[in-house]
Amino acid sequence: GQNIDQPTEMTATEGAIVQINCTYQTSGFNGLFWYQQHAGEAPTFLSYNVLDGLEEKGRFSSFLSRSKGYSYLLLKELQMKDSASYLCATLDSNYQLIWGAGTKLIIKP
Amino acid sequence: IAGITQAPTSQILAAGRRMTLRCTQDMRHNAMYWYRQDLGLGLRLIHYSNTAGTTGKGEVPDGYSVSRANTDDFPLTLASAVPSQTSVYFCASSDRLAGGDTGELFFGEGSRLTVL
Repeated sequence: GQNIDQPTEMTATEGAIVQINCTYQTSGFNGLFWYQQHAGEAPTFLSYNVLDGLEEKGRFSSFLSRSKGYSYLLLKELQMKDSASYLCATLDSNYQLIWGAGTKLIIKP
Repeated sequence: IAGITQAPTSQILAAGRRMTLRCTQDMRHNAMYWYRQDLGLGLRLIHYSNTAGTTGKGEVPDGYSVSRANTDDFPLTLASAVPSQTSVYFCASSDRLAGGDTGELFFGEGSRLTVL
């Protein structure tokens, strides 16, 4: 079956670094997305990885290892506004998005 | 810039009633989607449309129907609402099939539906 696992909740301190992991098992693979979703709002796109390696975009970076079925989202210099849920999603062989349940990130002062 | 507009933003309705959630986009995206989001679960695809005039079933299509008469509009209808359809519904669009080739999804603000 198809499955995406990510931690339910994480807590970090303002100014620190946090890594949110995502492991996946899908039928085929055509890329992995990370989305941010603030409470009560719509998800917004953060990153897309289709090749192995690290993609850096400002304070946020996303890493992919296709052989391990593993990705992580790295958030640096955490700010209070980074408190949100982070959703991992993969594109399977039929170009259907498979979503994880999301990781709720709590930032403390 | 509107992007994607959903209506209503919130609705309470009695079980057995018919309900249509509206979704309109002004980005001329070819693909559109309806998801439901429930606590503890990932976004689940209800129906999708790759282009005007075509629709397809997602992961949880039962009890829902859609139409795609033109590029901009993609309404979702609950023919006879049941309490298990209480959820937050998101409409989304992308410029590519299922968001492939970095065709990211753009989401509406969501419609919170409560079925009593």
